[in-house]
Amino acid sequence: DAGVTQSPTHLIKTRGQQVTLRCSPISGHKSVSWYQQVLGQGPQFIFQYYEKEERGRGNFPDRFSARQFPNYSSELNVNALLLGDSALYLCASRKTGTGATMGQFFGPGTRLTVL
Amino acid sequence: LAKTTQPISMDSYEGQEVNITCSHNNIATNDYITWYQQFPSQGPRFIIQGYKTKVTNEVASLFIPADRKSSTLSLPRVSLSDTAVYYCLVGDVGSGNTGKLIFGQGTTLQVKP
Repeated sequence: DAGVTQSPTHLIKTRGQQVTLRCSPISGHKSVSWYQQVLGQGPQFIFQYYEKEERGRGNFPDRFSARQFPNYSSELNVNALLLGDSALYLCASRKTGTGATMGQFFGPGTRLTVL
Repeated sequence: LAKTTQPISMDSYEGQEVNITCSHNNIATNDYITWYQQFPSQGPRFIIQGYKTKVTNEVASLFIPADRKSSTLSLPRVSLSDTAVYYCLVGDVGSGNTGKLIFGQGTTLQVKP
């Protein structure tokens, strides 16, 4: 089975622009989470979606938004980009329900650079 | 979600066994302990997960004492390719509406030849 996939792999934007990042979870996984990882730090939780509904939100401004589609893929949108938004954005999926004792599975990430 | 504490860095040599201990004094009854490995510019990779006693898979062992207030990730006979950041996380993974993971700074393991 394919793992979590993310696109694009790299992205360069300028301040004030908007960006959309995409994630496809592992087949059968209904939960998708987004994380931001700034260089030298651990990933920070942004959002979690389950069954197309937002189930959790981290301490990020309203410029960050996300959605999950019927096929469980997800998009993360960031508006009015700031230099500090430069980071590796990670998507993770996990199986839920019976047998859901395994951890989350992360994609390779999208490296966003804001100039 | 329980807070975890682990060493910032560790050094080892090829062929040695490495043990990384994580403290989680406020672990809840429903919490599992999960360890991830992360290489630079890659997403974290799930290594092992456990609830109590000992869990072993093809890459690592996880030792959890009876009080569950700490855990130890054991990597047998490390190689240079095991140089990475290792994160210990604690949380409830059995519910469909929880999925938030809180990462600390992790332990940077440097394996030397």
